[in-house]
Amino acid sequence: DAGVTQSPTHLIKTRGQQVTLRCSPISGHKSVSWYQQVLGQGPQFIFQYYEKEERGRGNFPDRFSARQFPNYSSELNVNALLLGDSALYLCASSLGGGTQETQYFGPGTRLLVL
Amino acid sequence: ILNVEQSPQSLHVQEGDSTNFTCSFPSSNFYALHWYRWETAKSPEALFVMTLNGDEKKKGRISATLNTKEGYSYLYIKGSQPEDSATYLCASSGSARQLTFGSGTQLTVLP
Repeated sequence: DAGVTQSPTHLIKTRGQQVTLRCSPISGHKSVSWYQQVLGQGPQFIFQYYEKEERGRGNFPDRFSARQFPNYSSELNVNALLLGDSALYLCASSLGGGTQETQYFGPGTRLLVL
Repeated sequence: ILNVEQSPQSLHVQEGDSTNFTCSFPSSNFYALHWYRWETAKSPEALFVMTLNGDEKKKGRISATLNTKEGYSYLYIKGSQPEDSATYLCASSGSARQLTFGSGTQLTVLP
């Protein structure tokens, strides 16, 4: 079975631009979460979606938005990019998004903002 | 403890040595403790999810214990091999369902 997939793998943008990152969960998983990881730190929670509804949001500005589609894939959008948005963006999927469920991670999208 | 903290930050061991790392987490609003193994350029790999005080889990040469009352978990690797070199992350999950990660322990096993 395919794991969590993310696209693109790498991306270079300039300040002020907008970016869309994509995630396909493991087949059968209905929950997708997004995390941002900057060098030297652990991943930080951005969003969780379950059955197309937002279930949780981390401490990120409104420039960050996401959505989940009927096939449970998800997109993360970041508007008005800042240099500080440069990071690895990880997507994780789980069956139902419960607190005791394992979240399975994709390889991430590395975003560089110049 | 307000955040998830891991120690040491990095560790170098010789092949064949056994080693362990610590994860400290807030004991209030605790639901589960997750351990991940993350090799460079790969996806973080789930190792364990533990929920009950006193839980012990084992996967090959890797094992973990959980103390929810004092808010810590230990990860043990027996007979370290070069392929064990990775960053080991722990994360706590509470009622909010999100994972709150520590900064990780970077393990290098020298042949």
